[in-house]
Amino acid sequence: GENVEQHPSTLSVQEGDSAVIKCTYSDSASNYFPWYKQELGKRPQLIIDIRSNVGEKKDQRIAVTLNKTAKHFSLHITETQPEDSAVYFCAASTDKIIFGKGTRLHILP
Amino acid sequence: EPEVTQTPSHQVTQMGQEVILRCVPISNHLYFYWYRQILGQKVEFLVSFYNNEISEKSEIFDDQFSVERPDGSNFTLKIRSTKLEDSAMYFCASSQSLNTEAFFGQGTRLTVV
Repeated sequence: GENVEQHPSTLSVQEGDSAVIKCTYSDSASNYFPWYKQELGKRPQLIIDIRSNVGEKKDQRIAVTLNKTAKHFSLHITETQPEDSAVYFCAASTDKIIFGKGTRLHILP
Repeated sequence: EPEVTQTPSHQVTQMGQEVILRCVPISNHLYFYWYRQILGQKVEFLVSFYNNEISEKSEIFDDQFSVERPDGSNFTLKIRSTKLEDSAMYFCASSQSLNTEAFFGQGTRLTVV
């Protein structure tokens, strides 16, 4: 079955700097790659997603890239703000969404 | 905005007891899921449900687990004989189709004592 690896497990960045989270997946049949943000005690919420026929997608300060050949995908957050502090999960999906282990992002003042 | 709702928000149960976790998916969604999250860990897939039957299940979803859609709106997860290690947050999710956004409920925190 699908296995999603995510790095780093914890990331601290200065407010205003960029944050990058990287993931790899194992199942070449995966064709949908969502990213979820989970604040403490809350539900996971989708922040951006990308499909396998697209290499890059951007939504304001958030961008995702996908390299299907290498089975890598990444989340980039620019101009980080305190409210970006949360746990971020990458995921890969064929007929079910399989999550990575999460990255705890701390935005330092 | 429509959302997935789950009840109860917190359930405490004795080891060996049966629990039923309830979910109301978004009304026009066709795919339903249960996930669990042990405190501080990742969100783990349990089961997916489509067209009134299980479409996929993980190794975690053994014989003590079952799911049901008893009527047109509810989607339930039953754990027959709870163990201490079943303590976790259980999330229900639904999506309109495959490979589209899955909307998560607020979760049920299950504590087995």
